[in-house]
Amino acid sequence: AQSVTQLDSQVPVFEEAPVELRCNYSSSVSVYLFWYVQYPNQGLQLLLKYLSGSTLVESINGFEAEFNKSQTSFHLRKPSVHISDTAEYFCAVSEGTGNQFYFGTGTSLTVIP
Amino acid sequence: ETGVTQTPRHLVMGMTNKKSLKCEQHLGHNAMYWYKQSAKKPLELMFVYNFKEQTENNSVPSRFSPECPNSSHLFLHLHTLQPEDSALYLCASSQGEVGTGESPLHFGNGTRLTVT
Repeated sequence: AQSVTQLDSQVPVFEEAPVELRCNYSSSVSVYLFWYVQYPNQGLQLLLKYLSGSTLVESINGFEAEFNKSQTSFHLRKPSVHISDTAEYFCAVSEGTGNQFYFGTGTSLTVIP
Repeated sequence: ETGVTQTPRHLVMGMTNKKSLKCEQHLGHNAMYWYKQSAKKPLELMFVYNFKEQTENNSVPSRFSPECPNSSHLFLHLHTLQPEDSALYLCASSQGEVGTGESPLHFGNGTRLTVT
């Protein structure tokens, strides 16, 4: 079974500053990687995913994440955050078999005006 | 607008009550899931159904009973719950063949359950 580590439980950042949310997973077997975002009183929404191919994947709202197989990491970055990016962010991993998704404990991003 | 609808959004129940959570997906997916979300803990997978058949049951107490009458509907029947069962219960669905993890999960907005 996988374990997913999000070391930063809370990340405060000023508006228009860059941000990186870290995610590491335990196993180096073939995996699929996801970032989800959760706004207050809502469910999780898919932000971006890595399945294969280019190790850098992007979302439509300016976030990007890079798959690093040797470091078993999938860190999420944005060069300039907005107030509307304030939310909880979850990293998730699935393997090539089964329907099991492993989630991290989440990182609360707070953008300060 | 979410393709996965959960009702009710909030539920308060006593430990002796019986209630049910409902989930409906409008995405044509063939797998449905129940997750429990508690503060500062990873999402806990409770149950998975593929083509209406239960494929995962992660040692969930019997006071939680799932039901999947068809690929679009999923229920979670609750009885004699404990205060520690208070949490956000999330339903999700995914498209994809059994045995692949490529298809991402699509979540509903959850039911906030409080057990008094």
